[in-house]
Amino acid sequence: AQRVTQPEKLLSVFKGAPVELKCNYSYSGSPELFWYVQYSRQRLQLLLRHISRESIKGFTADLNKGETSFHLKKPFAQEEDSAMYYCALKNSGYSTLTFGKGTMLLVSP
Amino acid sequence: DSGVTQTPKHLITATGQRVTLRCSPRSGDLSVYWYQQSLDQGLQFLIQYYNGEERAKGNILERFSAQQFPDLHSELNLSSLELGDSALYFCASSVGTGVFNTIYFGEGSWLTVV
Repeated sequence: AQRVTQPEKLLSVFKGAPVELKCNYSYSGSPELFWYVQYSRQRLQLLLRHISRESIKGFTADLNKGETSFHLKKPFAQEEDSAMYYCALKNSGYSTLTFGKGTMLLVSP
Repeated sequence: DSGVTQTPKHLITATGQRVTLRCSPRSGDLSVYWYQQSLDQGLQFLIQYYNGEERAKGNILERFSAQQFPDLHSELNLSSLELGDSALYFCASSVGTGVFNTIYFGEGSWLTVV
């Protein structure tokens, strides 16, 4: 069965500090992974997808198949980055998403 | 604005009642998904429809049902409501079901059962 694990419920950092939000997955096929962000219980917004290999709002994520990880990183956190971050794995058979429990990122001034 | 529209935004109802949540997908999107977000369970996939047909089922209770209409809008029906059904219900849509389809979420419907 596929599973997404985000080990940290809360990550608190100071503005300007590096950030790494951890995500590990379990999936037998070829994974397609995403990061979604949710500000103040609003709708989920797509932040990154591993296929695109892009950087959005300074965030990057690299798929490491050996470690089955897809950690989200940003070198210098900003206060506006404070939000809930969800890692998600797409079931290629049905295109549905399996989400991790989420990590709340709190960036303090 | 993702283009996915959900109504109502907020709903308060009593235990035992029945409610219907409505979703209009983005223009051109054929696939609709329903997710439940609660504090204890996190984000749970409920059900997916593609072009009117049920495509995948997740952790959807028997008291819940959904459908997608010919105009592609979808409704999630929740009946015999319990306090534990209080949650944020998200609808999402995508063009199709393929691997490279991006899934876009609506703003959600807040359901409070009292």
